[in-house]
Amino acid sequence: GNSVTQMEGPVTLSEEAFLTINCTYTATGYPSLFWYVQYPGEGLQLLLKATKADDKGSNKGFEATYRKETTSFHLEKGSVQVSDSAVYFCALRGDNYGQNFVFGPGTRLSVLP
Amino acid sequence: GAGVSQSPSNKVTEKGKDVELRCDPISGHTALYWYRQSLGQGLEFLIYFQGNSAPDKSGLPSDRFSAERTGGSVSTLTIQRTQQEDSAVYLCASSSGTGAYNEQFFGPGTRLTVL
Repeated sequence: GNSVTQMEGPVTLSEEAFLTINCTYTATGYPSLFWYVQYPGEGLQLLLKATKADDKGSNKGFEATYRKETTSFHLEKGSVQVSDSAVYFCALRGDNYGQNFVFGPGTRLSVLP
Repeated sequence: GAGVSQSPSNKVTEKGKDVELRCDPISGHTALYWYRQSLGQGLEFLIYFQGNSAPDKSGLPSDRFSAERTGGSVSTLTIQRTQQEDSAVYLCASSSGTGAYNEQFFGPGTRLTVL
C-alpha cells in the first residue's frame, strides 16, 4: 500500500536558518503530494501541494518539488522565522478512484529567536 | 459555513460512558475523513467515507468505535464504553471530488478527555 516517511523531529533552528524537512513516499501510479502545517493550538491547514512530477508547490516562502525519480517531496525554506514553529505533515493521495490520504508522522519544528 | 465544523469543541466524560462527536463537512464535499491525534503524536486514520460507497473502516481501533454519515453530509463518530486511552483530539476533514489533486480541509477538532 501507499506510505509516507518523513524525518523524525524535533528540529530546532535559529531564526534565519535554512530549513529542510525530508519526505519520501511509496505509491503506485501518480499520486498528488501535500504538506500540511499545524501551528500550536490550531488545526491542520494545507501549506502547499504538487499534483504531478517536477511540479513545485510554494507558499509563505516554503517550497517543495515533486521528484518522481527519487520519490521525494522535501520541504525547504531559505530563512525561517519564529512564527514558522509548528508541526509539519507530509501526505499523499493516490490517483485511483476513492483513494484515501496517507500522512507521515509529522515533524515538529522549533525556531529560536 | 465556509469551513468544516465540529462539535463539541471539548468533551469530558467518565470512563465507560458513550460519546458522540459530530462533523459538518464543507457543502458539496463528497469525501469525509475521521482521524485521531493523541498528545504530541501524528494523525491516526480512523474511517473514510466517499460518496455512496461503503466506508473504509480499516483504521477503527476496536468495535467500540463506529461512524455514520447521513445523507452524504453530516457525520457522527460514536465511541462506546469509553476508555482513558481514547483521550485525544478527534479531527474531521472533507475533500471535494475523487481526484488525487483534491486536498483535505480540516475542522478544528474535538478534544476528548476520558476521566
